[in-house]
Amino acid sequence: KQEVTQIPAALSVPEGENLVLNCSFTDSAIYNLQWFRQDPGKGLTSLLLIQSSQREQTSGRLNASLDKSSGRSTLYIAASQPGDSATYLCAVKGETGGFKTIFGAGTRLFVKA
Amino acid sequence: DAGVTQSPTHLIKTRGQHVTLRCSPISGHKSVSWYQQVLGQGPQFIFQYYEKEERGRGNFPDRFSARQFPNYSSELNVNALLLGDSALYLCASSLDWTDYGYTFGSGTRLTVV
Repeated sequence: KQEVTQIPAALSVPEGENLVLNCSFTDSAIYNLQWFRQDPGKGLTSLLLIQSSQREQTSGRLNASLDKSSGRSTLYIAASQPGDSATYLCAVKGETGGFKTIFGAGTRLFVKA
Repeated sequence: DAGVTQSPTHLIKTRGQHVTLRCSPISGHKSVSWYQQVLGQGPQFIFQYYEKEERGRGNFPDRFSARQFPNYSSELNVNALLLGDSALYLCASSLDWTDYGYTFGSGTRLTVV
C-alpha cells in the first residue's frame, strides 16, 4: 500500500529565501509524481509533473526532482515571495493498486514580507 | 478552453439526506477521479472512472457511489449523509487513467448539519 509523507508539515520563512519541501513514498513502482499548490478553501493547482523516467522538472522559480529508487522527491522554490504562501501537496500515481493517485498531507508554507 | 468545472460550489445538507455532486472534465479528457479533502488533510481517493467504467475505488463506504456519462462528465452520490462527510470534494480530470497527470476543479464544499 502506497504511503506518501511530506516534511515539514509547516514552514515559515522570510521573503527571498530559497527553500526545499520534501516528499517520500513507500512504493517505488510509480507512473508519475505531481506537485500541487492549494490556497485556503480552494482547489488544487498543478505545479510540476514528473514522469517515472524523468529526474527533474523546472518551471520558473520551481524545480522538482525525483529519485524513484529511494522513494523521494523534492520541490525547490527559489527566491520565495509572500505570494508563494500556500499548502504544497505531493501526489504519486502508482502502477499497483489500480493506478490510484495518493496524496501526502501537505506542507503549509508561510513567506513573511 | 474551459477547465474542470464542478457544481455546486457550496452545499449545506442535513444528516440522513442524499447529495449529488457534478463534474465536467476538460474537453478531450476521458478520465475523472473524485477525492474527499477534510480540513487540514491531504485529498483522499474515492473513485476513478475511465470511458464510463470504474477503474479504482478507495476505502469509502457503499454510501458513496459515482458514475460517468457518455460525454465523460461524472456524478458523485452520497447517501445517508453523516456529519463526518463534511469536506471539500474535488474532481480531477485526466487524458486517460494511466500515466497522465491530473487537473483539478475548484471543488464542492459540502457541509452536513
